[in-house]
Amino acid sequence: ETGVTQSPTHLIKTRGQQVTLRCSSQSGHNTVSWYQQALGQGPQFIFQYYREEENGRGNFPPRFSGLQFPNYSSELNVNALELDDSALYLCASSLIENTEAFFGQGTRLTVV
Amino acid sequence: AQSVTQLDSHVSVSEGTPVLLRCNYSSSYSPSLFWYVQHPNKGLQLLLKYTSAATLVKGINGFEAEFKKSETSFHLTKPSAHMSDAAEYFCVVSRGGGADGLTFGKGTHLIIQP
Repeated sequence: ETGVTQSPTHLIKTRGQQVTLRCSSQSGHNTVSWYQQALGQGPQFIFQYYREEENGRGNFPPRFSGLQFPNYSSELNVNALELDDSALYLCASSLIENTEAFFGQGTRLTVV
Repeated sequence: AQSVTQLDSHVSVSEGTPVLLRCNYSSSYSPSLFWYVQHPNKGLQLLLKYTSAATLVKGINGFEAEFKKSETSFHLTKPSAHMSDAAEYFCVVSRGGGADGLTFGKGTHLIIQP
């Protein structure tokens, strides 16, 4: 167990809806990153938050947004859901000066 | 820019025989390299990491990897496979500092035959 927890574990949404996924970081970690893992693929970097601000972003549209709270927990929000957003969403926490990331077990999102 | 190529999508070995999972990377700077393992319905677990110290890196569960700059490779090996090693393995590159995130390969599915 890494100490990174995500909720919910599974979620089904309809195309066009909005979704919020949550992540609690490992104790002492000040950085959280989110990844999207489509079926049969490696995870892809969505964005990273440090000190409550986004400080890095992958190739994802603006309808993917996030928040980091003072206790370092985080949310991933996705608006206007599309069928291709169906994936496993992984949260990872780390220290900003150390790239070793600890992953949660993920949220499986299905868009129908 | 950085990228990772895992040369085999599937590798099948017999229990007790050596494991070799191949990874090549591309990076315009000195990278940090990692191997992660993902068991079915589980999150990602770090096996080992290279961050410009010793080129032969030892990880958990008997795995090790060798960083070869001249070949831009970071292959993962284990002398003797165990049934519990069956999983998906990801080779990962990072610039260090993390603001660009981790770049994952597409994964290698390791199958262990009894």
